[in-house]
Amino acid sequence: AQTVTQSQPEMSVQEAETVTLSCTYDTSESDYYLFWYKQPPSRQMILVIRQEAYKQQNATENRFSVNFQKAAKSFSLKISDSQLGDAAMYFCACQSTGANSKLTFGKGITLSVRP
Amino acid sequence: KAGVTQTPRYLIKTRGQQVTLSCSPISGHRSVSWYQQTPGQGLQFLFEYFSETQRNKGNFPGRFSGRQFSNSRSEMNVSTLELGDSALYLCASSLATGPNYGYTFGSGTRLTVV
Repeated sequence: AQTVTQSQPEMSVQEAETVTLSCTYDTSESDYYLFWYKQPPSRQMILVIRQEAYKQQNATENRFSVNFQKAAKSFSLKISDSQLGDAAMYFCACQSTGANSKLTFGKGITLSVRP
Repeated sequence: KAGVTQTPRYLIKTRGQQVTLSCSPISGHRSVSWYQQTPGQGLQFLFEYFSETQRNKGNFPGRFSGRQFSNSRSEMNVSTLELGDSALYLCASSLATGPNYGYTFGSGTRLTVV
């Protein structure tokens, strides 16, 4: 079984600034993936970035990067040069590679971007 | 290419009725997963289908059921609707099962039970 915890329900950032969204997880599996999804008002969940647990190097996608601390079971998302279009709900998720595994989400965090 | 299509986009039903939601995956995707999203419980996994077989099921009562057709389109059914079933229902498709394939989500069906 897996659990994903996002303890901050809301965050705000000034446009062009940097913000970090926190996430911790717990899993008994040795091989798993971690994800950050964005859900704008259009409701569609969009994959922002993913990290394979066996890879030590932190994943990066343009302005989005993660800080993956495997021993601490921490997986934070850093958004650089924040843009108005980054305003959305962000969900952290975890899924093991085992048979019949499922994607487990955190409760999400609402990010607002101030112009 | 076309994304994941969920129909209808909005639905209002009365308590006790049943409802069927539809999900058309991306062409070539054979796995479809369903999630219920509510403000209180967040996103909860309902079930996953692959090649017309249910591969995994979440912790929901038997009133929630689903199926997948030979063209990979999937439907989920909720019988004897309760007020607490009001939620956004999201489906996601993938080439196959497992996190390494990646999921593409639809825009969901907003179900309101009155």
